[in-house]
Amino acid sequence: KAGVTQTPRYLIKTRGQQVTLSCSPISGHRSVSWYQQTPGQGLQFLFEYFSETQRNKGNFPGRFSGRQFSNSRSEMNVSTLELGDSALYLCASSVGRPQSGTQYFGPGTRLTVL
Amino acid sequence: AQKITQTQPGMFVQEKEAVTLDCTYDTSDPSYGLFWYKQPSSGEMIFLIYQGSYDQQNATEGRYSLNFQKARKSANLVISASQLGDSAMYFCAMRFYGGSQGNLIFGKGTKLSVKP
Repeated sequence: KAGVTQTPRYLIKTRGQQVTLSCSPISGHRSVSWYQQTPGQGLQFLFEYFSETQRNKGNFPGRFSGRQFSNSRSEMNVSTLELGDSALYLCASSVGRPQSGTQYFGPGTRLTVL
Repeated sequence: AQKITQTQPGMFVQEKEAVTLDCTYDTSDPSYGLFWYKQPSSGEMIFLIYQGSYDQQNATEGRYSLNFQKARKSANLVISASQLGDSAMYFCAMRFYGGSQGNLIFGKGTKLSVKP
């Protein structure tokens, strides 16, 4: 069974631009969660989706948004990029509702903001 | 506040020896799960092992075992017979089952280096 896939793997943007990251969960998984990883703040939770609904959101500004499609694929969007948004963005999927099951992670998208 | 603490920023271990990575947590919630993930330099987080707060026995998965001491709120990862490929960052994480939220709370990680 294929794992979680994330596209693109690497991205370079400039301040003020916006970016969309994509995540395809493991087949049959219905929950998708997003995390941001930086050297300074470590791994921080962004949001989680189940059945196309955002179930929980971390403490990030409104510039960070996401959605989930009927096939469980998810996208996250960051508008008006700032230098501090440079990070590894990790997507994870799990079988059922967000509070159950093990989260399996994708390879991440490494975003660099210049 | 719920928190995961990994006190060892970095550790060295000789190949074929066992190593213990520490993890302590702070919560008043009785229902939770503890996870360990491995992150190689490539960036992908690889799930290693899980322990539920009500599990009576310590979890084991191949060379990985979890030394779960609930009263002390610790969940240390033991890697037996270390291999060069075990060199990576290791993260302890927790999830709470009392509500509808499913997000993981991570520690800062421990960088393990295996010496030949």
